[in-house]
Amino acid sequence: LAKTTQPISMDSYEGQEVNITCSHNNIATNDYITWYQQFPSQGPRFIIQGYKTKVTNEVASLFIPADRKSSTLSLPRVSLSDTAVYYCLVARGGFKTIFGAGTRLFVKA
Amino acid sequence: DTAVSQTPKYLVTQMGNDKSIKCEQNLGHDTMYWYKQDSKKFLKIMFSYNNKELIINETVPNRFSPKSPDKAHLNLHINSLELGDSAVYFCASSQDTTSYGYTFGSGTRLTVV
Repeated sequence: LAKTTQPISMDSYEGQEVNITCSHNNIATNDYITWYQQFPSQGPRFIIQGYKTKVTNEVASLFIPADRKSSTLSLPRVSLSDTAVYYCLVARGGFKTIFGAGTRLFVKA
Repeated sequence: DTAVSQTPKYLVTQMGNDKSIKCEQNLGHDTMYWYKQDSKKFLKIMFSYNNKELIINETVPNRFSPKSPDKAHLNLHINSLELGDSAVYFCASSQDTTSYGYTFGSGTRLTVV
């Protein structure tokens, strides 16, 4: 399974757009890219998944370049409640999903 | 209605004891998981069951024994608890083994003293 690398932490201010980039140089053809969000004392929550190009839902957008060796989670106009840990995962078949260390996002007022 | 519920939420016990954590999902999912989150916040998969059948056992000590009486329940029994077992244990479920969107429970914080 492809190993993922994310920044350990990021700071932002309310109302800004936040982009968290994840590198996965060894991604395989059958791998999908998935992002989760985890608040303190809660389990991770699925945000978005994609295979290539761009995926958008009501929470975030996911940008994946043609070589798929990285991906960027974009959170539009963050609020204080978006302070959380964000995990990038690469999975080949859902049941082998492995979580990395994640990125701690701090949103300031 | 809670989609994936775990009990208890907190568990404090002494070394050497045996304890169980229960998990139930009401989503109609076929696949269930146990994850362990250590003090450094790494989430590691322990077990995966699909339709009551074990499909993943990620080199977990045999003191940990999962049991799935039906596809809506996946319980975790731990024998002879050790200090290193202290962690947060998360139960999760997914539609099937090809799904990437997991639904997690709120976790059970186990403290072994």
